[in-house]
This record gives sequence, structure tokens and C-alpha cells, in this order.
Amino acid sequence: NAGVTQTPKFRVLKTGQSMTLLCAQDMNHEYMYWYRQDPGMGLRLIHYSVGEGTTAKGEVPDGYNVSRLKKQNFLLGLESAAPSQTSVYFCASSYSLAGSYNEQFFGPGTRLTVL
Amino acid sequence: RKEVEQDPGPFNVPEGATVAFNCTYSNSASQSFFWYRQDCRKEPKLLMSVYSSGNEDGRFTAQLNRASQYISLLIRDSKLSDSATYLCVVIYGAGNMLTFGGGTRLMVKP
Repeated sequence: NAGVTQTPKFRVLKTGQSMTLLCAQDMNHEYMYWYRQDPGMGLRLIHYSVGEGTTAKGEVPDGYNVSRLKKQNFLLGLESAAPSQTSVYFCASSYSLAGSYNEQFFGPGTRLTVL
Repeated sequence: RKEVEQDPGPFNVPEGATVAFNCTYSNSASQSFFWYRQDCRKEPKLLMSVYSSGNEDGRFTAQLNRASQYISLLIRDSKLSDSATYLCVVIYGAGNMLTFGGGTRLMVKP
């Protein structure tokens, strides 16, 4: 099993450009998440999904959109990139949402720089 | 005030030392607690859950103090391979989302 994979691993954008980050998991998990990690800030939840066709906002959703058309994939889109979106983006998935079964499995991350 | 706070460190300790980290959380309704480990430029991985009665996994011991709203992680007999950032994670609220602390960096020296 590959676990959680992310594409691309690195990307440099100019302000105003758009891009899509792809996350894929092969563990048949219902729940998927997108986080961003900035120095000293910890991981902050951008958007999440509790199942195919459903998405919800997290702590820092502004400037991002997501889609979950297939259970195994969760896409994160930046419509008009800004320098404040320079960050490391992690995708994660989990079997369940709550309690002790909520171990989240993370992808390797995407390092995004917006100039 | 951050919801989950950690001393960023770094904690520099020699091999074989015992080291402890604390993490404080602000929401008394917090339900579940975890420690994740993150190696440099890698993804976080679950280290251990933290149970109310405290729990141990080999050289690692986790404790929860609900009255003072903090959790702790104790590492005994530190190894070079323990060098990493340790993330405190708290779950609370109806959505059961994970809230991460900023992490504590540990560097174990030979």
C-alpha cells in the first residue's frame, strides 16, 4: 500500500496564478483533510471531507477550494495564489472522525512558494 | 492565546538522558489527546495516544492532567533517533477536529 500520496512535491507560483494539489489514499478511508504548516504555527486545518461528494471548511479556508469527487482523492485548489499562501501543505486521511480511532495518516507534503 | 501551546525548544540532551515536554490546552472540553512525531521535512506520524490514567509505550510515557489542562511526554534513555519535533494534538468540539500545537524540537547529541 502506498498510503497517502501527494502531487506535486514542490511548486513555485507567481502571485495570481492558480494550481491544484492532488491527494490520493489507498486505505479506503472515509475522512480526508488538508492542512497547512507554517513555522511556529503548527498544522492548521484548511478544509476536510467526511465522504465522497462532501466537503467542509476548517480553520483557515479563505483562498482555497476543495473537491472530493472520488473517495480516494481529495483536491485542493488555489484560484489566485498570494504570497501568504507560501507554506507546506499536508493531506491526511483517517478511518473515523472521533476518539481513539482518529489516527490520521499524512502524505509527504507539498512545498509551495508564491512569489 | 493559542488553543494548544508548546515550548518550541530546542531541547538539546545527551544520549541516555531523560527529557520531558509539556503541552497546555485552553479548552476544558477537550476530549482526546495525542502526541505525534515529525522528522525534519517529513510528515507527522502518530507516536501515542494519551489516556486519562497515563500510559507507557517502551521508553515513552504520556500523562494527562485535566485539572491543570496539560499533557506531558517523558522520554527515557534518549536515542539519537529520537531527534525530531513532537507535536501535541487535542480533539474537542462536535466536529472532533484535531488541533495541533506548534511542536517541541528535540535534539539528542552523542
